[in-house]
Amino acid sequence: DVKVTQSSRYLVKRTGEKVFLECVQDMDHENMFWYRQDPGLGLRLIYFSYDVKMKEKGDIPEGYSVSREKKERFSLILESASTNQTSMYLCASSLWGGGNQPQHFGDGTRLSIL
Amino acid sequence: EDKVVQSPLSLVVHEGDTVTLNCSYEVTNFRSLLWYKQEKKAPTFLFMLTSSGIEKKSGRLSSILDKKELSSILNITATQTGDSAIYLCAVEPPRRAQGGSEKLVFGKGTKLTVNP
Repeated sequence: DVKVTQSSRYLVKRTGEKVFLECVQDMDHENMFWYRQDPGLGLRLIYFSYDVKMKEKGDIPEGYSVSREKKERFSLILESASTNQTSMYLCASSLWGGGNQPQHFGDGTRLSIL
Repeated sequence: EDKVVQSPLSLVVHEGDTVTLNCSYEVTNFRSLLWYKQEKKAPTFLFMLTSSGIEKKSGRLSSILDKKELSSILNITATQTGDSAIYLCAVEPPRRAQGGSEKLVFGKGTKLTVNP
């Protein structure tokens, strides 16, 4: 079974802090994704990566950056956290060119910025 | 811009009822449509649909794609309280050239509440 693990289920940080959210997958997937989920807005893609050191902006990249130094790990970085970044953050991974292979999600990190 | 619209946004039913959730999309030549169920944590995969008119079934859940109408439905028969969740629909646009990623376009979800 595919396992996508996010380092924290709940996280509380202060405005202006640099925040790191970590995601690890154990299935050798090429693609990894970071979403945020807000009530009434659904899942919105922040960044994604299709290979080590490769990254692309999603729909709402402002205020975020990412790092993919190893295939299994994809980190989301909030450079200077703000209250409007309080949200549920979901990481996902999928096989590239894998035909009928869906994205698999981690359990999410509920981040509160005070 | 690619778009996925789900309806209704929210639905409350009683145990035993049958429900139909709708998903329509504005993505031409898409690769696949996916349904996920999200309870308190990670969205879990339900179905992937690629061919029009072919029903996929898993227990009391079933789904079908209509490429002509650019839509899909998810049916749940004999609902149970454990079916209470947010149901997400997502569409995979055409794959980019080699090296490109395969991102999904999600709808906002339908929140289903099944009361005993």
